Amino acid sequence: DAGVTQSPTHLIKTRGQQVTLRCSPKSGHDTVSWYQQALGQGPQFIFQYYEEEERQRGNFPDRFSGHQFPNYSSELNVNALLLGDSALYLCASSFRAATNIQYFGAGTRLSVL
Amino acid sequence: SQQGEEDPQALSIQEGENATMNCSYKTSINNLQWYRQNSGRGLVHLILIRSNEREKHSGRLRVTLDTSKKSSSLLITASRAADTASYFCATLPWEGAQKLVFGQGTRLTINP
Repeated sequence: DAGVTQSPTHLIKTRGQQVTLRCSPKSGHDTVSWYQQALGQGPQFIFQYYEEEERQRGNFPDRFSGHQFPNYSSELNVNALLLGDSALYLCASSFRAATNIQYFGAGTRLSVL
Repeated sequence: SQQGEEDPQALSIQEGENATMNCSYKTSINNLQWYRQNSGRGLVHLILIRSNEREKHSGRLRVTLDTSKKSSSLLITASRAADTASYFCATLPWEGAQKLVFGQGTRLTINP
């Protein structure tokens, strides 16, 4: 049973560029949440997708957008990258109705130069 | 913004000793969860305690919750070198919400 998978593992971009991160949820899960974790900090909630719609959103600008596909996989897009966007981006999946436990992927380390 | 504070920020103990980490939060919660993170990678869920529970055990882990003080503690007994990691508490604000609000974490080092 595959867990949550994220790609790529590492990514280096320059300021102003755009980036797309990908996530495949754990088998049987239909909800994907994205978190940003700056160095030395706890993860911060970006948004959550369920039934291909954004259901909840944290305090992040519109430069952060996402998408969920019919197979429940998800993408996180960040436009006009800033140096401060450098962080570990974590994807978590869950089954909406059954439990509040979220299962996390290993993350994508984004460095903005 | 972070939900609350974790204490201590860093903890270093000898293998075999017990490790206690504390978490305080600011708002009412549905449940509180503890996660472990190794070397800045993905988080592993350890234990969940609901707002109507006071204590929960899982293997070498013991979690307590005091909703009147808005605080929780995680006790790891008989620590092992493999327990070296960062530990985060996360709260779920209300029933049905799945937005976890994390603390800043405790960095635990177990010395052999």
